[in-house]
Amino acid sequence: SSELTQDPAVSVALGQTVRITCQGDSLRSYYASWYQQKPGQAPVLVIYGKNNRPSGIPDRFSGSSSGNTASLTITGAQAEDEADYYCNSRDSSGNHRGVFGGGTKLTVL
Amino acid sequence: QVQLVQSGAEVKKPGASVKVSCKASGYTFTSYGISWVRQAPGQGLEWMGWISAYNGNTNYAQKLQGRVTMTTDTSTSTAYMELRSLRSDDTAVYYCARALMDCSGGSCSWYFDYWGQGTLVTVSS
Repeated sequence: SSELTQDPAVSVALGQTVRITCQGDSLRSYYASWYQQKPGQAPVLVIYGKNNRPSGIPDRFSGSSSGNTASLTITGAQAEDEADYYCNSRDSSGNHRGVFGGGTKLTVL
Repeated sequence: QVQLVQSGAEVKKPGASVKVSCKASGYTFTSYGISWVRQAPGQGLEWMGWISAYNGNTNYAQKLQGRVTMTTDTSTSTAYMELRSLRSDDTAVYYCARALMDCSGGSCSWYFDYWGQGTLVTVSS
């Protein structure tokens, strides 16, 4: 299958923990990568691989995976974390095409 | 530092073609792939395809097969994306991104670590 499913919107109170999930058959074969996008800006990679953060990404961002579900967790959400978050993976059907989830709008209350 | 700098905004009529460039700097161009991703107004990210800057191999999204061509010029470290037979629903911001694979955690993860600034392509009569 080439689809990745995300909840359209999630909210979290300032300083609390939030989990954003991504479901799809390809996640049984590949780890997801996660991107943060703020209005008018290009996406930014926040998590890749088993649980890797690029340089400059705060350690409150972490990733995990189980079965067909990948999760991005923000521990102690900050106001600046309010953004759209997208997961990405490679299609596991053999054509190696990429696929993005529909995105989750995170609101920090 | 790694940079991907894209060409400027374009306005095209339906049926025309557009070619967007993405000039890379700060790394060995032929050691990575380039993916193209687009985002229609108010919509999510859509993966369009990938090209190996090493050997020119490509892999396109099924819905764009036959309309899109991705190429590279290794002499100038520039990637190109051409989209033909433009329609109004091709109006979007088009991004290039450096693509690579990490297989250190047991499974592999395909990811895009640097992105261009985006190029707005407007298709309107």
